[in-house]
Amino acid sequence: SQQGEEDPQALSIQEGENATMNCSYKTSINNLQWYRQNSGRGLVHLILIRSNEREKHSGRLRVTLDTSKKSSSLLITASRAADTASYFCATFYGQNFVFGPGTRLSVLP
Amino acid sequence: DTGVSQDPRHKITKRGQNVTFRCDPISEHNRLYWYRQTLGQGPEFLTYFQNEAQLEKSRLLSDRFSAERPKGSFSTLEIQRTEQGDSAMYLCASSGQSTTYNEQFFGPGTRLTVL
Repeated sequence: SQQGEEDPQALSIQEGENATMNCSYKTSINNLQWYRQNSGRGLVHLILIRSNEREKHSGRLRVTLDTSKKSSSLLITASRAADTASYFCATFYGQNFVFGPGTRLSVLP
Repeated sequence: DTGVSQDPRHKITKRGQNVTFRCDPISEHNRLYWYRQTLGQGPEFLTYFQNEAQLEKSRLLSDRFSAERPKGSFSTLEIQRTEQGDSAMYLCASSGQSTTYNEQFFGPGTRLTVL
């Protein structure tokens, strides 16, 4: 089974609202990463948070990590229509990345 | 554009045919990964190269699949005797010793449709 699981599976919000996505994982990690994928395209790295970090910011993105609960959240503030995409968390397991099934975010104008 | 390119972008083939995909990673990256992604799912790891050595293969990689990276630069993924279940997006990613904590740079993918 996959290492990471995102929640919710799909999210629809109005432009300007905040979007929060959650990720849970199973084993201990060194870091957790979030990626974005626009429809039919490759993935783009958004942000990485290390296991000894609790919160990290990058522009309108805020990521938190709770290693005791084995969970992470991605917050996108002041969303824009261009944020419409699928968002995946990924953890490094063995020699490779394991991705969750993703959250499909739709930002309506 | 991440700097990772894949060719072709789309491939339509008939069941039973062989197909080959190519990935050109970022030139200074020594690690190269192949993933498969089906609709509505996250990428699933297939295999991983460090330089020209194939270090890990997923159980998803049946004996109909073979990947090479002969000179430690570009890589090819071949699927023999394609089946309809092979229809998916095939993604390539690269990373290097200079990238932080194994951040991967993905190509645009090759979408395979098996009729």
